[in-house]
Amino acid sequence: DQQVKQNSPSLSVQEGRISILNCDYTNSMFDYFLWYKKYPAEGPTFLISISSIKDKNEDGRFTVFLNKSAKHLSLHIVPSQPGDSAVYFCAASNAGGTSYGKLTFGQGTILTVHP
Amino acid sequence: ETGVTQSPTHLIKTRGQQVTLRCSSQSGHNTVSWYQQALGQGPQFIFQYYREEENGRGNFPPRFSGLQFPNYSSELNVNALELDDSALYLCASSLGGLPSSYEQYFGPGTRLTVT
Repeated sequence: DQQVKQNSPSLSVQEGRISILNCDYTNSMFDYFLWYKKYPAEGPTFLISISSIKDKNEDGRFTVFLNKSAKHLSLHIVPSQPGDSAVYFCAASNAGGTSYGKLTFGQGTILTVHP
Repeated sequence: ETGVTQSPTHLIKTRGQQVTLRCSSQSGHNTVSWYQQALGQGPQFIFQYYREEENGRGNFPPRFSGLQFPNYSSELNVNALELDDSALYLCASSLGGLPSSYEQYFGPGTRLTVT
């Protein structure tokens, strides 16, 4: 039962262009969403998050959009840089519930930014 | 500020053996979560410890157990190792004022190989 899905295993983008990574979820109890970036041989690094009471959150080059009715979120990176090349994980949590801060992760999308 | 550290980095064990993995949480964090990441998948929640008590468990059998110590460091123990236990084991720490805390900070992981 994959409650968080990242349907694109990989994405290739030219430096300077926009990268859009997508994520879908099925559990309507999720109320907090996060994006993590992971380089080889390192643990996931927290990137940006959004609460379900918002539909957009920005942090520098990174913007996360949440569409609750579609149970869909996306991460936009503008402009993309070669150093952004990594695996990106979408994660969801029921922060106000009894799931004890459990994060449910998608399978990840490998982003490659070409110079 | 010290980040999350894990030991050992790599480990090779034989089926049926037992293993203990260790994690030191980020300074000031009182909650530790453990995740298993199989190759090509996203991390899967094993369990969480808050103030030395187990505070939620994922879909893992009882042979996966843990401890949290007064200094908030933690251990993950796996008994009767199976080949499918081969994975990257990630520890994440967070500050849980309530038992749940969604912004979790990950260590580099321990790569366990079971032969």
